[in-house]
Amino acid sequence: KNQVEQSPQSLIILEGKNCTLQCNYTVSPFSNLRWYKQDTGRGPVSLTIMTFSENTKSNGRYTATLDADTKQSSLHITASQLSDSASYICVVSGPSPDKLIFGTGTRLQVFP
Amino acid sequence: ETGVTQSPTHLIKTRGQQVTLRCSSQSGHNTVSWYQQALGQGPQFIFQYYREEENGRGNFPPRFSGLQFPNYSSELNVNALELDDSALYLCATRPGRNEKLFFGSGTQLSVL
Repeated sequence: KNQVEQSPQSLIILEGKNCTLQCNYTVSPFSNLRWYKQDTGRGPVSLTIMTFSENTKSNGRYTATLDADTKQSSLHITASQLSDSASYICVVSGPSPDKLIFGTGTRLQVFP
Repeated sequence: ETGVTQSPTHLIKTRGQQVTLRCSSQSGHNTVSWYQQALGQGPQFIFQYYREEENGRGNFPPRFSGLQFPNYSSELNVNALELDDSALYLCATRPGRNEKLFFGSGTQLSVL
């Protein structure tokens, strides 16, 4: 069964600290992997998209990595800010590019 | 801003009623998909339209239906509302199959 699992389910960190969110997937064949940020009550906003051949991609303080062999991805947030408080959702595309499978997200809270 | 607008932002209905949710997107975004997101969960795929034809559907009953119009706007219709239909409904558009998804801010539907 095609699934996307994220960990941890929730995370609390202090402002200025770094953190890493995990995403494991069993989707096959794999087309691409996306990370989204979703503020409460709002639609998700794209952070990164990575294809099979890409190992890492950055967007400001956000860096995503992908290991297609182990089917794992991580999202690293550097020097966290209060505005980083949100849910982060991992989305895997496959077996066709049109089929997107969403993880349940990691709820991140950044405190001052 | 994603260029995707959903209306209304909030809606309260009673069980058994019918509801129509609307989405307008950027010119050239031929693909629109709708998602249902329950509280604390990831978005669940309802269906997708490409050039006014449905070309993908998730595990939702027929009382969930949709339309896409030539001006890139679309609708989600839900008949015979049930309490479990209470959720955030998201519309997402993209110009191509592997392109980034642009989400609207969603319509929060409450069924009493």
